[in-house]
Amino acid sequence: QQPVQSPQAVILREGEDAVINCSSSKALYSVHWYRQKHGEAPVFLMILLKGGEQKGHEKISASFNEKKQQSSLYLTASQLSYSGTYFCGTEPNYGQNFVFGPGTRLSVLP
Amino acid sequence: GAGVSQSPSNKVTEKGKDVELRCDPISGHTALYWYRQSLGQGLEFLIYFQGNSAPDKSGLPSDRFSAERTGGSVSTLTIQRTQQEDSAVYLCASSSWRSSGTLLGPYEQYFGPGTRLTVT
Repeated sequence: QQPVQSPQAVILREGEDAVINCSSSKALYSVHWYRQKHGEAPVFLMILLKGGEQKGHEKISASFNEKKQQSSLYLTASQLSYSGTYFCGTEPNYGQNFVFGPGTRLSVLP
Repeated sequence: GAGVSQSPSNKVTEKGKDVELRCDPISGHTALYWYRQSLGQGLEFLIYFQGNSAPDKSGLPSDRFSAERTGGSVSTLTIQRTQQEDSAVYLCASSSWRSSGTLLGPYEQYFGPGTRLTVT
């Protein structure tokens, strides 16, 4: 079942912060975050595993609340290059099919 | 090093024809994924392979779609009797796989550039 993302879209000024949320109705094994710029393939940002392990880019932070089946991506001091569509992807259990959320469109203006 | 490659980059075909899309994953990546993305839409999961096996084929939209992976490397997605609604960008991704320790599963996915399929 597809996870829900919020907000659907957000517009920021350079330097502002944003939080993008991802929630699932099912228990989750892992949550992945990707960013896709227009006309390009998605690029990995962060993976969060059940139990607290994380792996991702230094400038990106995220949280994973296993009990609430929610994850949040924190974008601080946004830059123009942060613009794009952010997708969360969820894996309900080891080896089960991976499902992406509908995406959150982020626009950072000068 | 080399990333994920896909071919062809663009494919225009007539309704009713069959098409084959190819994905070359990063060497050593045991997991391979196929997604479909329609214009302005999200990523629709189609199928994934762990080695040469696809644990769950329920993401394929119809029996016109099939995929195989040989030698734990190259994968082919085949669409038979194409329909106009099949028009989309087909993305392939590969990842290494955590196979020891307490938490198993995929690492980050690396995406290829995609194949843009247009059915006329």
